[in-house]
Amino acid sequence: QKEVEQNSGPLSVPEGAIASLNCTYSDRGSQSFFWYRQYSGKSPELIMSIYSNGDKEDGRFTAQLNKASQYVSLLIRDSQPSDSATYLCAVNLRGTYKYIFGTGTRLKVLA
Amino acid sequence: GAGVSQTPSNKVTEKGKYVELRCDPISGHTALYWYRQSLGQGPEFLIYFQGTGAADDSGLPNDRFFAVRPEGSVSTLKIQRTERGDSAVYLCASSSGTSRPNEQFFGPGTRLTVL
Repeated sequence: QKEVEQNSGPLSVPEGAIASLNCTYSDRGSQSFFWYRQYSGKSPELIMSIYSNGDKEDGRFTAQLNKASQYVSLLIRDSQPSDSATYLCAVNLRGTYKYIFGTGTRLKVLA
Repeated sequence: GAGVSQTPSNKVTEKGKYVELRCDPISGHTALYWYRQSLGQGPEFLIYFQGTGAADDSGLPNDRFFAVRPEGSVSTLKIQRTERGDSAVYLCASSSGTSRPNEQFFGPGTRLTVL
């Protein structure tokens, strides 16, 4: 089992819809979780971080964390074509300084 | 302020050669990370520095890879006897090392091609 798993996609949503991106992780003691956006040929850009169970909202983005289910998600409201990118989930492993990334989900927002 | 910078942006070398990749973190950031990213994959952890010392180098694939951060700021990733399989984008990230969660910010990366 991979430490951090994401569906590679592509996930296609129409403009204005809600995009839902999901990530599961295997280390139950993981403490911090991050979502990055990566455009083709560019480096990852931090969108949000979360470490408490529940929801965290920032503009059109909402991160959701459920530690019991070992699941973290990112919702993008009012999706725009400019949101089309690969979204990477990263997890800080318990007791380490390591951050493990998933392979990313490619999102396509259709105009 | 300035973000993380990396040089060179592209490096083409021949199999067996030595290369150095440089990272200049965000000013004041004590934590520095090196990652390697291959096409279609997420960044793969290589090494983490807190200050001048390598706190975790468990991701370095073998002894051909080495990294230093002598003054606790700029870091250099060194690869000896390069192999074609070393071709990837090498990413550097820095963080304050004190905030919770410890958010990392990436540089633009160095694309290494080993011919």
